[in-house]
Amino acid sequence: GDSVTQTEGQVTVSESKSLIINCTYSATSIAYPNLFWYVRYPGEGLQLLLKVITAGQKGSSRGFEATYNKETTSFHLQKASVQESDSAVYYCALGPNNNNAPRFGAGTKLTVKP
Amino acid sequence: DAGVTQTPRHEVAEKGQTIILKCEPVSGHNDLFWYRQTKIQGLELLSYFRSKSLMEDGGAFKDRFKAEMLNSSFSTLKIQPTEPKDSAVYLCASSLDSSNTEVFFGKGTRLTVV
Repeated sequence: GDSVTQTEGQVTVSESKSLIINCTYSATSIAYPNLFWYVRYPGEGLQLLLKVITAGQKGSSRGFEATYNKETTSFHLQKASVQESDSAVYYCALGPNNNNAPRFGAGTKLTVKP
Repeated sequence: DAGVTQTPRHEVAEKGQTIILKCEPVSGHNDLFWYRQTKIQGLELLSYFRSKSLMEDGGAFKDRFKAEMLNSSFSTLKIQPTEPKDSAVYLCASSLDSSNTEVFFGKGTRLTVV
């Protein structure tokens, strides 16, 4: 079945430094799945950060970017300069696609130090 | 517009009890999802409905977990009997359809089984 892997459970970065959160996927139900990043800020519900539905394209939101790389089956999340307000849990997701529900990674907790 | 509404927000149950969690999706959404959220596993799919029809049933959760859609605007998740390992946050989510649209999440129900 489809799956998503996030290798880092926790990441700590100093404010104004760059960030990369890794995400790789495996899709057996569809050749080119839709890819998403969701975020959960402290005290809030899970919400969409950005999405890309076309291989090779880049999505961006709130200073974050992610590029859909079908060769490496990756969708890493990057930001050039993080802020304390970016501290949250980030989830990479595959789908929904066709008749399949979205699949999520285990999540990466980002802590930005002042 | 109201988002996804989940009740109760917190539930404490004794081992062996039956509990029912409730969810109202975004009005007009056709797809509804139940997920279990833990720090280790991330978001695990429990059930997926489209227009009240069951599309996917999380294989590992079939024996004690049962989700139903009583109508297009109300869903329940029953856990019977509860076990301490069921302690987690249960998320309900909905989307317009299964194309490239985002999924909207409720704030979740935190279940503690003692």
